[in-house]
Amino acid sequence: DSGVTQTPKHLITATGQRVTLRCSPRSGDLSVYWYQQSLDQGLQFLIQYYNGEERAKGNILERFSAQQFPDLHSELNLSSLELGDSALYFCASSDEGGQTDTQYFGPGTRLTVL
Amino acid sequence: AQKITQTQPGMFVQEKEAVTLDCTYDTSDPSYGLFWYKQPSSGEMIFLIYQGSYDQQNATEGRYSLNFQKARKSANLVISASQLGDSAMYFCAMREGLHGGTSYGKLTFGQGTILTVHP
Repeated sequence: DSGVTQTPKHLITATGQRVTLRCSPRSGDLSVYWYQQSLDQGLQFLIQYYNGEERAKGNILERFSAQQFPDLHSELNLSSLELGDSALYFCASSDEGGQTDTQYFGPGTRLTVL
Repeated sequence: AQKITQTQPGMFVQEKEAVTLDCTYDTSDPSYGLFWYKQPSSGEMIFLIYQGSYDQQNATEGRYSLNFQKARKSANLVISASQLGDSAMYFCAMREGLHGGTSYGKLTFGQGTILTVHP
């Protein structure tokens, strides 16, 4: 158990819909990262938040947005969903400033868009 | 250009034997970190081992060791005494700008290697 929690574990929805994925980082970690894992694109970095502020952006679509709240949990919002958004979405956290800054991953949310 | 290359889509090893999973990387940043993660069929990503670009010695964590050859830009994972539970997908990842810089925490992953351990 990495200490990072993600809900829900599975999500099935229809095209055009909007969903919210939730992540709670490890105790004490200020940084939260979101990644998408799909068969064709592999594991791709989406976005990073540090202590409530956006720090880095990767290959995140405009239909997707994220935020980190004062209690450090984070939410990834996916809207106008398309079939190609079906993927495993991971949240990771790190203490950002530790010697290795290792990212610990949550169990993931498997999103299926029908 | 690929930043992380894992050339072995699949590897097979006999239980109790050692296996090496290859990883080469490409960066011009002098300060970077290399990570290996394991993804079992259940889907979670499990951190295994870390190697920093300035580390003088190869990293080791239990049965995992990292064969770090900086000049060749390779960071191969060695698993000794393979167990059936080692069967999984293994990812090599890199973080550039480890001690500052603007890339922050982004990890770039390779395509992965599926390891199958035979009894």
